Amino acid sequence: EPEVTQTPSHQVTQMGQEVILRCVPISNHLYFYWYRQILGQKVEFLVSFYNNEISEKSEIFDDQFSVERPDGSNFTLKIRSTKLEDSAMYFCASTRGRGNTEAFFGQGTRLTVV
Amino acid sequence: GIQVEQSPPDLILQEGANSTLRCNFSDSVNNLQWFHQNPWGQLINLFYIPSGTKQNGRLSATTVATERYSLLYISSSQTTDSGVYFCAVSSLSGANSKLTFGKGITLSVRP
Repeated sequence: EPEVTQTPSHQVTQMGQEVILRCVPISNHLYFYWYRQILGQKVEFLVSFYNNEISEKSEIFDDQFSVERPDGSNFTLKIRSTKLEDSAMYFCASTRGRGNTEAFFGQGTRLTVV
Repeated sequence: GIQVEQSPPDLILQEGANSTLRCNFSDSVNNLQWFHQNPWGQLINLFYIPSGTKQNGRLSATTVATERYSLLYISSSQTTDSGVYFCAVSSLSGANSKLTFGKGITLSVRP
């Protein structure tokens, strides 16, 4: 069964460093998403991406965040200068279309900023 | 934006008991999914159920879209069912298929 894969599963970084979280969405999916879950809290939407551009972003997704689809398979989330409060689980998801369509999630990347 | 309320927030069961988890949402939806978050933090997709009823083993789910709620039933619970259960919806009026999650229901099944 096709699946969304994320790497790394766990990353520890120093405050102020840049991190790139990687995702490989399901190959025939067209819409890609990043979500964040701070420990003990609910999962929150960060950004959606379609046709090589951001289609929607939340207020969490400020200038320190960026997304990119550098090639035909990868979808990345970059955090330019990490803060302690960026420590969270980050999930990538993809959907085939928009609307009545199931979202498939990766296993997550646990980011720890020290 | 759309609001998602899950109840109860916490649930403690004895192994073998049945339970019902509820998800209410504030607007029409074109997607509703139930997830189980395991101890490693992974989101396990249980059901994609914008309407109707589905069953998968000991788990079943019903969504009544016109009344804006969904129910997840767990029968003959096992200790491995413990964890957090999330309901997530996509608003019919939304520009894309982003999911809005509830706060989750923490289920503890005791042996």
